[in-house]
Amino acid sequence: DTAVSQTPKYLVTQMGNDKSIKCEQNLGHDTMYWYKQDSKKFLKIMFSYNNKELIINETVPNRFSPKSPDKAHLNLHINSLELGDSAVYFCASSQGGQAEAFFGQGTRLTVV
Amino acid sequence: AQSVTQLGSHVSVSEGALVLLRCNYSSSVPPYLFWYVQYPNQGLQLLLKYTSAATLVKGINGFEAEFKKSETSFHLTKPSAHMSDAAEYFCAVSGTGTASKLTFGTGTRLQVTL
Repeated sequence: DTAVSQTPKYLVTQMGNDKSIKCEQNLGHDTMYWYKQDSKKFLKIMFSYNNKELIINETVPNRFSPKSPDKAHLNLHINSLELGDSAVYFCASSQGGQAEAFFGQGTRLTVV
Repeated sequence: AQSVTQLGSHVSVSEGALVLLRCNYSSSVPPYLFWYVQYPNQGLQLLLKYTSAATLVKGINGFEAEFKKSETSFHLTKPSAHMSDAAEYFCAVSGTGTASKLTFGTGTRLQVTL
């Protein structure tokens, strides 16, 4: 059983479209995250949720909207996609904020 | 604010040689430190973590790291490299509390040659 699973794994879309990435964890963790990895492999946090509440919201365009329907799910919706949004997006979860995070396999988003 | 600096974006070693990947941290509070590995087209896998217990931390796949407060370092080592160790390695730091997050270094790509 995959601990943190994201769908889709690959996403190719045109500029201006709206897309969503879904994430589910079956570890019973209370905290979930979205990280972005750019073309130079640099990883940066975007959002974190603890028990469905938004805890961290880094400097991310408001075209990005996370939603956590329950503790086990954290989805990411992106409006009006731009070329610069092309990256790999990772979902992760942890128990509490300071414990190690478990990562999904990533979603490679390509905007053309 | 917390940060980590990884020295060397690319390290190449021969199979069987010592692996040393460097990480220095900056933190105003006692940090939690992590090393993650990323294989091509995969997610990040935790190698090991330091959470203020033993300063020498052993991880998976024969890796270990030593927390040195005086040097603000958390270097990753492995006595003998294997071809399968070729990957991207990330050092990360976090604080404590619900609002904590992992702050990653820029990564070090490890190449293992015959």
